[in-house]
Amino acid sequence: GQNIDQPTEMTATEGAIVQINCTYQTSGFNGLFWYQQHAGEAPTFLSYNVLDGLEEKGRFSSFLSRSKGYSYLLLKELQMKDSASYLCAVRDSNYQLIWGAGTKLIIKP
Amino acid sequence: NAGVTQTPKFRILKIGQSMTLQCTQDMNHNYMYWYRQDPGMGLKLIYYSVGAGITDKGEVPNGYNVSRSTTEDFPLRLELAAPSQTSVYFCASSYSMESHTQYFGPGTRLTVL
Repeated sequence: GQNIDQPTEMTATEGAIVQINCTYQTSGFNGLFWYQQHAGEAPTFLSYNVLDGLEEKGRFSSFLSRSKGYSYLLLKELQMKDSASYLCAVRDSNYQLIWGAGTKLIIKP
Repeated sequence: NAGVTQTPKFRILKIGQSMTLQCTQDMNHNYMYWYRQDPGMGLKLIYYSVGAGITDKGEVPNGYNVSRSTTEDFPLRLELAAPSQTSVYFCASSYSMESHTQYFGPGTRLTVL
């Protein structure tokens, strides 16, 4: 079966750095996505990786290792507004997105 | 651009009732999707459409129906609502299958009692 695993919840301090991990087992691979979802709102796109390595976009970076079935999202200089759920999703061989359950990130002052 | 809009925002149904969740996008996207999101679970694809007149089943299609008569609209129909269909429903769209981004509507929170 297809499976995406990520931690259920993480806590970090304002101004710090946090890394959210995602491991996956899917039927084929056509890219890995990270979305942010604030409570009660829709998911919004953060990043996309299809090749191994690090993609940087401002305070957010995403890393992919296809051989290990592993990705992480790195958030730097954390702000209170970063409190949200972070969803990892993999596009499979049918070009459908398989979603993880999300990691709820709690930022403390 | 309004992006992806959904109505209603909230709805309570009784078991056995039916309803249609509306979804409209104004980005001229070919691809549209319906997901459900249950607490502690990942988004699950219900149905998707690759263009007007073409729809296909996703991972959890049972109990739902869709149609796509125009590029803009992709309604989701629930027949004979059941408590297991209590969920948050998101509609999304993308330009193509290879697009990096799916754009989501604000969601419909449905409770079946």
